[in-house]
Amino acid sequence: GAVVSQHPSWVICKSGTSVKIECRSLDFQATTMFWYRQFPKQSLMLMATSNEGSKATYEQGVEKDKFLINHASLTLSTLTVTSAHPEDSSFYICSAGATSGSSEQYFGPGTRLTVT
Amino acid sequence: GDSVTQMEGPVTLSEEAFLTINCTYTATGYPSLFWYVQYPGEGLQLLLKATKADDKGSNKGFEATYRKETTSFHLEKGSVQVSDSAVYFCALSAGGAGSYQLTFGKGTKLSVIP
Repeated sequence: GAVVSQHPSWVICKSGTSVKIECRSLDFQATTMFWYRQFPKQSLMLMATSNEGSKATYEQGVEKDKFLINHASLTLSTLTVTSAHPEDSSFYICSAGATSGSSEQYFGPGTRLTVT
Repeated sequence: GDSVTQMEGPVTLSEEAFLTINCTYTATGYPSLFWYVQYPGEGLQLLLKATKADDKGSNKGFEATYRKETTSFHLEKGSVQVSDSAVYFCALSAGGAGSYQLTFGKGTKLSVIP
C-alpha cells in the first residue's frame, strides 16, 4: 500500500515551453502533497506544500508564477513548470501524506526534466 | 529552525563490512526521525523511523536508535551487501501528528564493493 506515482518519469522540452508533471496517490487519499527539487549530489529542496482544494504554500525563493501547483483532488497534484529554461533542469519529486494523521510521507519515483 | 546534519560521503565499504552513518538533528519539541534510501534512478523509500526517544527503528538489517540526549539517529548495519549501495537521507518531522513536513540531511552516498 501507500504507492505514489509520477508521470512522466522523464521529459525533455525546449526552452520557453511549459511542462506538467502529475503526482498521484494510488491507494490512499492524500490531503497534503509536497513537491521537491533535487539537484545532482544534493539533498531534496522543498519547493511547496499543497493541500487539496486550497492554494499551495511556496517556500522562500520559489517562484509561484513559474512553478504552478494544483491539488484538485485527494489523489492528484500537478506541478507545471512554465516557460522552462535550462536552469530548471532537475529531478522533481513529489510526496504525499495520508489523511490518517500519520506524519509519514510517501514518495513518488521522481521526474527528470531536461530543458534544452 | 529545524536542521539535520549527516556525515558527508561518499562512503565506500567492502561487502560484509559494518556500516555507520551518523545523523544529528536540531529541532524544537519532539520530532519524529526517519531514514530514507534512494537507489540509483529511483525515488526515496522509507527505510525506518522512530517517533519517540529510545525507540529503535529497524528494517532490512538496518537499525537506528532515537537518542534524545545526544540528538542523534545514527544508521547502522552489521554486514552490508552490494545491493545496499544507495544514497541514504536522514530526516525529521517536527510538526506533530498530522504534520508531514520533512527536513532532510544532505544525503550520504554508500558504495559497497564485492
